[in-house]
Amino acid sequence: GAGVSQTPSNKVTEKGKYVELRCDPISGHTALYWYRQSLGQGPEFLIYFQGTGAADDSGLPNDRFFAVRPEGSVSTLKIQRTERGDSAVYLCASSLSGLWDRVLGRGNEQFFGPGTRLTVL
Amino acid sequence: KQEVTQIPAALSVPEGENLVLNCSFTDSAIYNLQWFRQDPGKGLTSLLLIQSSQREQTSGRLNASLDKSSGRSTLYIAASQPGDSATYLCAVSFVGGGSRLTFGEGTQLTVNP
Repeated sequence: GAGVSQTPSNKVTEKGKYVELRCDPISGHTALYWYRQSLGQGPEFLIYFQGTGAADDSGLPNDRFFAVRPEGSVSTLKIQRTERGDSAVYLCASSLSGLWDRVLGRGNEQFFGPGTRLTVL
Repeated sequence: KQEVTQIPAALSVPEGENLVLNCSFTDSAIYNLQWFRQDPGKGLTSLLLIQSSQREQTSGRLNASLDKSSGRSTLYIAASQPGDSATYLCAVSFVGGGSRLTFGEGTQLTVNP
């Protein structure tokens, strides 16, 4: 079946512009995650959705970053007034279940998309 | 602070060699640990998931072990092949860390033919 997909694969923008990054999770996965990966580093957590709601947004670096998942499937990560430091690969992941299944030991393999490479000039 | 460390940062081996990649984590209270592979310019491919209650998982030539008490996991790759060349990432789901995965910085593996 189809995996996690992300669009666009590459995005080049100018400092100060607004960008939207899209994630299509695996069908039936209720949990969706956004991570950001800088060159030579491991991914860093941004936000986690369980269904339509943002269950944990503590990884968002500041209020220029916002994400939505209005119908509990596709998610959009929105970045306002982009800065050069926002340049990174933005990864989306989904899993079949969320925190409670993890607590009960049933978790919770996360499957990642190919990422969107964002370059802010 | 809950952190994950991977050693070595880079490893180069001849084809056919068996090898071990190491992952350590600072808090033994975890839900699970996941090993990923990342090819240059690509996303992450899940290799193995070990639940907190498990000691090891195997898939083909890969074997991952988990020792929670010492905060360590190893990924063993048998009979390495040039196609195994990639960056291997260890990620931990910590209790109290919500639903996030906390990643190490990865080990860049090169298998020379």
